[in-house]
Amino acid sequence: DAKTTQPTSMDCAEGRAANLPCNHSTISGNEYVYWYRQIHSQGPQYIIHGLKNNETNEMASLIITEDRKSSTLILPHATLRDTAVYYCIASSGAGSYQLTFGKGTKLSVIP
Amino acid sequence: NAGVTQTPKFRVLKTGQSMTLLCAQDMNHEYMYWYRQDPGMGLRLIHYSVGEGTTAKGEVPDGYNVSRLKKQNFLLGLESAAPSQTSVYFCASISSSGSEQYFGPGTRLTVT
Repeated sequence: DAKTTQPTSMDCAEGRAANLPCNHSTISGNEYVYWYRQIHSQGPQYIIHGLKNNETNEMASLIITEDRKSSTLILPHATLRDTAVYYCIASSGAGSYQLTFGKGTKLSVIP
Repeated sequence: NAGVTQTPKFRVLKTGQSMTLLCAQDMNHEYMYWYRQDPGMGLRLIHYSVGEGTTAKGEVPDGYNVSRLKKQNFLLGLESAAPSQTSVYFCASISSSGSEQYFGPGTRLTVT
């Protein structure tokens, strides 16, 4: 799986959009970009994933650059409950669907 | 539908003791995983299983054994616990046709 690089921490004002960047410059053609988050000490929670097209669901939007070397997770209207560690993972899912978690980005939503 | 459950939630062991952590899922998922998470770190894969009766090593398998005798259960064993195994352990599962891993609430283990 390709290595991903994320900022260690970010702040966002409540009600504003939170834009979390991720670099994955060595991603291969069959690797998806997955985003998970971990609130406090709970188990990680799936947010969204994509291959090369932008994706949107009820939780977030995922914007992947045309060269697929980076992506941005967008939480359109951040709330205090979105304070969490966000993990960006590149994985082909082939065979065993293994995920490699880095340290992620600690997002703090500020009132 | 309980999703992924883990037993126990907390445990304190003395060095050298053994224990088994149980993970159960009711979603009929083929694949199951055990991760550990140390303070300030991401999750690291210990062992995983792609089906009943099969297991494989992940990134940090030393000191652990696993078994998948039933599709819905994945057991993680510590034969002789060491302080370095103090961690939070998460179990996860995914369907062979799915894209989302479902995680349990975690087991917080302290080895003194």
